[in-house]
Amino acid sequence: SQTIHQWPATLVQPVGSPLSLECTVEGTSNPNLYWYRQAAGRGLQLLFYSVGIGQISSEVPQNLSASRPQDRQFILSSKKLLLSDSGFYLCAWSEVLGNTIYFGEGSWLTVV
Amino acid sequence: RKEVEQDPGPFNVPEGATVAFNCTYSNSASQSFFWYRQDCRKEPKLLMSVYSSGNEDGRFTAQLNRASQYISLLIRDSKLSDSATYLCVVNSPNTDKLIFGTGTRLQVFP
Repeated sequence: SQTIHQWPATLVQPVGSPLSLECTVEGTSNPNLYWYRQAAGRGLQLLFYSVGIGQISSEVPQNLSASRPQDRQFILSSKKLLLSDSGFYLCAWSEVLGNTIYFGEGSWLTVV
Repeated sequence: RKEVEQDPGPFNVPEGATVAFNCTYSNSASQSFFWYRQDCRKEPKLLMSVYSSGNEDGRFTAQLNRASQYISLLIRDSKLSDSATYLCVVNSPNTDKLIFGTGTRLQVFP
């Protein structure tokens, strides 16, 4: 069966510091991969998605970036965090674009 | 108009009650519909897909009304463990992405 994991689960970072969140999927090949953010009391916002290695689509212009160095690995990065980057970050995968999506456990980021 | 709209609640219901949530969507060409459940500070998890003819999974029933562009979720015999936020999800046919509603919060009390 397929599993998805992301880490770290929780982190507190100072403003201006870098960020790296990592996500891996097991048990499937060539998944569609996503990064979402959920701010306090708000809905899920799609940040990036990828349909294949090295292919990244950005949904919202911001100081975050994403990379997919391997088929089942998706990384969310920032060179300099802002206070507004605080939130719950979720990695997800799907077999078919626009169909059922499965989430990782999430990463809580607090920028101080 | 938002692409997907839900009443944020909270819906406070006693154990054993029946509760229903609606969700409206703006794009009449949408074809895929889902309900997800999200517990506090956890990731959303698929509760059920919503099929054109309606579908049932135990105490949960999902319905689709294409004419009025809404989907519904009915929960019978509510349990304390049903307390969560329920997210309505609809595909965007133009972009092949899923659009998430902001969720309806359910609180079941003893």
